[in-house]
Amino acid sequence: EAGVAQSPRYKIIEKRQSVAFWCNPISGHATLYWYQQILGQGPKLLIQFQNNGVVDDSQLPKDRFSAERLKGVDSTLKIQPAKLEDSAVYLCASSSSTGTAYEQYFGPGTRLTVT
Amino acid sequence: GQQVMQIPQYQHVQEGEDFTTYCNSSTTLSNIQWYKQRPGGHPVFLIQLVKSGEVKKQKRLTFQFGEAKKNSSLHITATQTTDVGTYFCAGPGNYGQNFVFGPGTRLSVLP
Repeated sequence: EAGVAQSPRYKIIEKRQSVAFWCNPISGHATLYWYQQILGQGPKLLIQFQNNGVVDDSQLPKDRFSAERLKGVDSTLKIQPAKLEDSAVYLCASSSSTGTAYEQYFGPGTRLTVT
Repeated sequence: GQQVMQIPQYQHVQEGEDFTTYCNSSTTLSNIQWYKQRPGGHPVFLIQLVKSGEVKKQKRLTFQFGEAKKNSSLHITATQTTDVGTYFCAGPGNYGQNFVFGPGTRLSVLP
């Protein structure tokens, strides 16, 4: 099966600019996650979708970050305006709602550099 | 949600030596997952443990879940250069299918 797709793979922007990331999960996976991974740290959950509804966005900085998954498939994550501390890899993951092992499949990530 | 800690932060071993990383929580975990992330790569799911005292093996990797379900370990026997990477444990978060990742243990294997 095809894996989780993300684009772009790399992005360099200046602070106060905006940026958007795109994710296409594995076909049929109802749950989609966006993580932020700062260099040397573990992934930090930003938002979790179940189909097109938000399950958990408690760690999403809502003053500057937004995410949507309108048709319950693809998702976009936006940062506006970006800050220097937003430099990180943004990982998208998906998992199936069936079974009990909620294995998360990660995409390759988007490496964001804010200058 | 839970918070999980991992030790050590870094481990350098000679190829062929064993390696163990530990994951600890102050509260009981309903389950725990382990992931491996190669340098420059993305996390890849290794296993999920659910039962108290559970032990699972994958070739040279042995995973354990503590009796009290507050700790877990990953042991690699006779490390190889292909084992290089960061190993993360992840405990349940605020909601179902929601996980909180530990800080990871970075393994270096010297040939």
